[in-house]
Amino acid sequence: EAQVTQNPRYLITVTGKKLTVTCSQNMNHEYMSWYRQDPGLGLRQIYYSMNVEVTDKGDVPEGYKVSRKEKRNFPLILESPSPNQTSLYFCASSLVGTSALYNEQFFGPGTRLTVL
Amino acid sequence: QQPVQSPQAVILREGEDAVINCSSSKALYSVHWYRQKHGEAPVFLMILLKGGEQKGHDKISASFNEKKQQSSLYLTASQLSYSGTYFCGTPSGNTPLVFGKGTRLSVIA
Repeated sequence: EAQVTQNPRYLITVTGKKLTVTCSQNMNHEYMSWYRQDPGLGLRQIYYSMNVEVTDKGDVPEGYKVSRKEKRNFPLILESPSPNQTSLYFCASSLVGTSALYNEQFFGPGTRLTVL
Repeated sequence: QQPVQSPQAVILREGEDAVINCSSSKALYSVHWYRQKHGEAPVFLMILLKGGEQKGHDKISASFNEKKQQSSLYLTASQLSYSGTYFCGTPSGNTPLVFGKGTRLSVIA
């Protein structure tokens, strides 16, 4: 089954404790992206990747890191989480047509993160 | 730069129609539409790639007006299952896709 998986689905942690949220897709998509969703603010992009070893900042990259060493995986790393990073996180992937997205974006199920 | 969606929220009775607008201050080359039901991930509805293009399936359709730099999503004879938050997304600068803040649609019996 074609899908985007995220782990963990729920996480409660404390300020400053490094964590990684994994994202994996089995559709051979070039494009992968991370979003955070907060009430009233919609889906804000954190980082995106157009292909392996190519990553770019989105609108809200501060406090996050990503890497794209393999096509299927795009982990999100919080080196020192803070309470303002409490949010619902979505990973997504898509095929790429030239430099834009001409195909649908598939979303993972989401990871709800709480930082105390 | 985020596209601007309007209205922010709308409540409909079953069978009524709704229009959700998505506009940008910059030239639009493509528009994505997604729907997110409560507690779930966003799901793709459609992409419009050309000015004047219209698409639709079931009773949900969309149009794309390049000159006006906007797209509209039309929901006809709404059903309870249409409830959710609708997002439009557009390219912005070097970013392939940036989403608007969403329009919350509630359909009541």
